[in-house]
Amino acid sequence: GAGVSQSPSNKVTEKGKDVELRCDPISGHTALYWYRQSLGQGLEFLIYFQGNSAPDKSGLPSDRFSAERTGGSVSTLTIQRTQQEDSAVYLCASRLTSGLYTGELFFGEGSRLTVL
Amino acid sequence: DAKTTQPPSMDCAEGRAANLPCNHSTISGNEYVYWYRQIHSQGPQYIIHGLKNNETNEMASLIITEDRKSSTLILPHATLRDTAVYYCIVQGAQKLVFGQGTRLTINP
Repeated sequence: GAGVSQSPSNKVTEKGKDVELRCDPISGHTALYWYRQSLGQGLEFLIYFQGNSAPDKSGLPSDRFSAERTGGSVSTLTIQRTQQEDSAVYLCASRLTSGLYTGELFFGEGSRLTVL
Repeated sequence: DAKTTQPPSMDCAEGRAANLPCNHSTISGNEYVYWYRQIHSQGPQYIIHGLKNNETNEMASLIITEDRKSSTLILPHATLRDTAVYYCIVQGAQKLVFGQGTRLTINP
């Protein structure tokens, strides 16, 4: 497809389990972002990848959270030893950046995580 | 921290113009103002952006003050489907931090 794809769309897990969330950005988009949105809240920045630069991890809430982006394309957000407060929708977005041009963000539909 | 401030909520009558304000007093010279909206349970969707000139597209108009410290998104003829949370963000070549946005409710 032409848009940002995220999987799974829904994930229910037990407290203490690890989960992996996947994001397929739009082909050719150099920047990739992960956000978290708790029920009724705004978008909380988690991490940002730009080309081959080191990612900006300043938004990750704890060391249980990590993310990688392989080959400058697909990204995986991993949450270890999940807690109930991790329950949220995790949104991925990508955009094209080239020189001084920074395009609009294209968002996926999100992965809804529920930790029991 | 977000570089923008918006009112938490607004109401507008169907068919009227909805004017959503945003303050971005610390915006840098090479940063754009972008607007997105999020309809319940969907991913945010791009609406419009601008640098210093006013902009218009098929969805909305964007008015940016001359000093660039604030802007207004205008939905000229609001419909019930425009009910959503609207986010104004300052966007450059770096991480993008969203504020809480404005929850716009269009009333019949």
